[in-house]
Amino acid sequence: QVQLVQSGAEVKKPGASVRVSCKASGYTFTTYYMHWVRQAPVEGLEWMGTINPSTGGTNYAQKFKGRVTMTRDTSTSTVYMELSTLRSEDTAVYYCVSSGYDTSGYPVPYWGQGTLVTVSS
Amino acid sequence: DIQMTQSPPSLSASVGDRVTITCRASQTVGDYLNWYQQKAGKAPKLLIYAVSNLQSGVSSRFSGGGSGSNFTLTISNLQLEDFATYFCQQGYTPWTFGQGTTVELK
Repeated sequence: QVQLVQSGAEVKKPGASVRVSCKASGYTFTTYYMHWVRQAPVEGLEWMGTINPSTGGTNYAQKFKGRVTMTRDTSTSTVYMELSTLRSEDTAVYYCVSSGYDTSGYPVPYWGQGTLVTVSS
Repeated sequence: DIQMTQSPPSLSASVGDRVTITCRASQTVGDYLNWYQQKAGKAPKLLIYAVSNLQSGVSSRFSGGGSGSNFTLTISNLQLEDFATYFCQQGYTPWTFGQGTTVELK
């Protein structure tokens, strides 16, 4: 079964960067795009971008362009999301979501457990 | 971006009730519509994918329907464990989500 395990909670100061990891198992890592979604109390659920684990190609939400970088390590089936120049509004739970498919070809999203990032001075 | 409008924002119901939540997209999203349940401090749990497909392990009391840009999530015979917040999500990049519906105990 598809399983996504994320790294632990982080506390960062404003202006710093944070890197969250997401280790995938239960499927061929390079076959499903990986997305990142965050959830803050005010903004709700917000899509940040996606990475193609096969090619490393990325597509970022306009809001995060210039501050977010998504990478992958195919040897460990792990995807990383780095967010820079953190501000208090970036305090949120960050989720990785694998965009898989069922046996009929319908898209099925699989979610990680989430990583709380707190930005505070 | 596709806007997702979910209604109602909250509803009060009793155990055994049947409730329906609606999600409207600003343009057609085809089969790319999912529904989630979320409880405090937990990740969203996928209930329904591709409009009407029940995720493995999810109770058959949950059902999804609709087409084009109008979709529904129905919970039949509401149980105590169903009191939670529910979200819709469309799967065209960039993904967008409804604002959520909180189902509360009457």
